[in-house]
Amino acid sequence: DAGVTQSPTHLIKTRGQQVTLRCSPKSGHDTVSWYQQALGQGPQFIFQYYEEEERQRGNFPDRFSGHQFPNYSSELNVNALLLGDSALYLCASRQTSGRLHEQFFGPGTRLTVL
Amino acid sequence: QKEVEQDPGPLSVPEGAIVSLNCTYSNSAFQYFMWYRQYSRKGPELLMYTYSSGNKEDGRFTAQVDKSSKYISLFIRDSQPSDSATYLCAIENSGGSNYKLTFGKGTLLTVNP
Repeated sequence: DAGVTQSPTHLIKTRGQQVTLRCSPKSGHDTVSWYQQALGQGPQFIFQYYEEEERQRGNFPDRFSGHQFPNYSSELNVNALLLGDSALYLCASRQTSGRLHEQFFGPGTRLTVL
Repeated sequence: QKEVEQDPGPLSVPEGAIVSLNCTYSNSAFQYFMWYRQYSRKGPELLMYTYSSGNKEDGRFTAQVDKSSKYISLFIRDSQPSDSATYLCAIENSGGSNYKLTFGKGTLLTVNP
């Protein structure tokens, strides 16, 4: 089991550009969430996808958008990048059915905005 | 008041010490409690998960939840240098299809040989 995978590992962009980050959930998981983790902080919830729909959203502007594909993989898109968007972006997956509430994280994508 | 409060430390202990890490939370709707370990520049790794008040043990790790006080703890026995990491408490409010995790700030732990 490969666990949650994310790509790319690192990314450097300039202000105003757009970026797409990718996530493949753990095998058997159907719900994907995205988190932003600034240096020295805990992860902050961006949004969650299930059945290819955004089910819940955190306090992030519309510049942050996402998508979930039929194979449960997901993308996070950020438009009009700001310096403050520099962070570690984490993807987490879980099973929606059943009684298991564990959420497993990928290694993250480190985004630097110059 | 933040939904989840965690003392960021840093915490430095000698090898073999018992470590106590704590979080408090404000939302009574929170139902599921997790502890993650995060090594520098890596993704969080799930250590413990529990949903009821009381203790849950896994090897050297014990997770404790007191819902009446809204207080959760992680104890590490016989701490090792390899335990040096940031420990994050995370709480899931599982009402309906809400699976959002709310995290504490994380506590940076260093175990000295």
